[in-house]
Amino acid sequence: AQSVTQLDSQVPVFEEAPVELRCNYSSSVSVYLFWYVQYPNQGLQLLLKYLSGSTLVKGINGFEAEFNKSQTSFHLRKPSVHISDTAEYFCAADSGNTGKLIFGQGTTLQVKP
Amino acid sequence: DTGVSQDPRHKITKRGQNVTFRCDPISEHNRLYWYRQTLGQGPEFLTYFQNEAQLEKSRLLSDRFSAERPKGSFSTLEIQRTEQGDSAMYLCASSSTPGQGNYEQYFGPGTRLTVT
Repeated sequence: AQSVTQLDSQVPVFEEAPVELRCNYSSSVSVYLFWYVQYPNQGLQLLLKYLSGSTLVKGINGFEAEFNKSQTSFHLRKPSVHISDTAEYFCAADSGNTGKLIFGQGTTLQVKP
Repeated sequence: DTGVSQDPRHKITKRGQNVTFRCDPISEHNRLYWYRQTLGQGPEFLTYFQNEAQLEKSRLLSDRFSAERPKGSFSTLEIQRTEQGDSAMYLCASSSTPGQGNYEQYFGPGTRLTVT
């Protein structure tokens, strides 16, 4: 069965430092990959997605991610974080392009001044 | 396009009562999904519709849960005889058909259910 693993439950980082949030997925078929952000008491907002094509994907708010098929990873990066990036981040996969998203457990990004 | 809306935003109910949630998707989307999110966890898939047809139900969806999308527009999720374990955030999302165009799922703000 498809699964998504986010390797870090919490990532503390200082403002203006770079950050990487790690995500690994398991799939034997083609896969769509997504990163969502969730602010407290709000729904999920899409940061970026990989459907096909270029393995380096750029999203909103300066985030980017790289699809690595050999390592089954889709890590999220930002070169310089802001206090406002403090939120919960979820990696999700859609195996076989069914539309059924499988989410990771989430990573809490804590940006400190 | 006003996005995906859900009603109510919060619901407090007593154990054993029935509750119903509503989701209004983005109008041109033919796919509608329901997810459940418990505290500190990622959302878990519950069920989804292609137009009015319910195509898949998760094992998480016990017989007390039922979802409908009667005219292929809005959807309702009903929980009968609620239990404390049903306390969660219920999220709705909509999308175009996967593989067609610029596919992504748009999420609503969620309905937070508390069963006392």
